[in-house]
Amino acid sequence: ETGVTQSPTHLIKTRGQQVTLRCSSQSGHNTVSWYQQALGQGPQFIFQYYREEENGRGNFPPRFSGLQFPNYSSELNVNALELDDSALYLCASNPGGGRLNEQFFGPGTRLTVL
Amino acid sequence: QKEVEQNSGPLSVPEGAIASLNCTYSDRGSQSFFWYRQYSGKSPELIMSIYSNGDKEDGRFTAQLNKASQYVSLLIRDSQPSDSATYLCAVKISGGYNKLIFGAGTRLAVHP
Repeated sequence: ETGVTQSPTHLIKTRGQQVTLRCSSQSGHNTVSWYQQALGQGPQFIFQYYREEENGRGNFPPRFSGLQFPNYSSELNVNALELDDSALYLCASNPGGGRLNEQFFGPGTRLTVL
Repeated sequence: QKEVEQNSGPLSVPEGAIASLNCTYSDRGSQSFFWYRQYSGKSPELIMSIYSNGDKEDGRFTAQLNKASQYVSLLIRDSQPSDSATYLCAVKISGGYNKLIFGAGTRLAVHP
């Protein structure tokens, strides 16, 4: 149990729609990262937030955006959904301290775009 | 060129045997390496982290790192059917923020 929760568990949308995915990490975990995992692939880094600021971004278009709140919960927003956005979306948090580089994943949100 | 490479498998081993999973990476400056286990339909679970050359043991798991050869491996001793899963190798990029680059994973099947 990582203490990272995500909602919803599953989601079905149609092309062109917008979606918001949510993540809550353990208290004190002030860094959150989002990853996209397509079927049969490893997770791909979307972006990272540290103390409510985006401090790193992967090769994803601007229609992927995020927020981190003062309580360190986070949102991933995707606009103008495309079929290729169908994937498992994972949120990961860092415990900091001596385990600064370790990332612990939530259960994920399975997004299907029709 | 892929940044983190793994054999996709499946790697099939009998129960009780040693399973050996391998990973190579391209970023010579990387200092942090991780192995995740992912059961079908679930999210990745961190099982090992390694930062220094050599071996690191945790229970039935041993991670091995050779930075000169840009090679990381995971050995699972006394493999059990419950070890059947996809094993993902992840490498933290050098410098800056905490971005992990993942391989596509190796599927391990342990048969009784």
